[in-house]
Amino acid sequence: AQKITQTQPGMFVQEKEAVTLDCTYDTSDPSYGLFWYKQPSSGEMIFLIYQGSYDQQNATEGRYSLNFQKARKSANLVISASQLGDSAMYFCAMREGGRDDKIIFGKGTRLHILP
Amino acid sequence: DTGVSQDPRHKITKRGQNVTFRCDPISEHNRLYWYRQTLGQGPEFLTYFQNEAQLEKSRLLSDRFSAERPKGSFSTLEIQRTEQGDSAMYLCASSPLTGISYNEQFFGPGTRLTVL
Repeated sequence: AQKITQTQPGMFVQEKEAVTLDCTYDTSDPSYGLFWYKQPSSGEMIFLIYQGSYDQQNATEGRYSLNFQKARKSANLVISASQLGDSAMYFCAMREGGRDDKIIFGKGTRLHILP
Repeated sequence: DTGVSQDPRHKITKRGQNVTFRCDPISEHNRLYWYRQTLGQGPEFLTYFQNEAQLEKSRLLSDRFSAERPKGSFSTLEIQRTEQGDSAMYLCASSPLTGISYNEQFFGPGTRLTVL
C-alpha cells in the first residue's frame, strides 16, 4: 500500500491565487513527520515545510502553510498568493519513527502558475 | 560551504560498465542519505549513513550497488555492471543530528545517470 498519496498529477492556477496541493498518508506509527519539497525544472529538491505528528499547530513558513488533519491523515500544502516562480513539482513526504529514518516520497504534483 | 555537492552532474555509460558517484555533504552534517529518482516519480530511499556507519539499506540496493562513507565526510555510491534500468537521477542529502534544521534533509543537485 502506498504510504504517501498525491492525487493531483497536475494543476493549473492563475497567478496571485491561492492553491492547495493534496496529500494523504498512511502509517500506524504514532510518531512521524510530514514534509513538502519543491523540485523546479533544474532538478534540485528544495525543502518547504515540516509538520511533526505531535505538533499542536499547523506549520507555516512564509507563503506556505500545511493543513494538518491528523484524524483524516491529511497534510495538504497551501500556497498563498501564488507566483510564476512557484511553477514546479511538489512532493509530499513522510518520515516514520525516529528522526534518523528515511523519508518516503509521494509521486508528486506538477503545479503550473499561469500569468 | 554553500550546500551539498555531487559529482559528476551527468554520467553516460554503456551497459555493463561500473560507475562511481561522489557526494560532499554540508560539513557539520552527520547524517547522509542516497536516493534514486526515476522520471515522473518521487525520490526513493537507497541508503543512510550516520557518520561513517551505514545504518540502513533499502531492498532497492542490489548486490551491484555499494555505498561508502569512509571518514564520515564525503560518500561514494558505486554501481557495478550497470543496466539500462539503473538510468535515473541519484540524489544525495544530508542533515545535522541536532539544531533547528535536524528535521530537514538538504539535497544536492543530483547525478543524472544514463545507461546506453
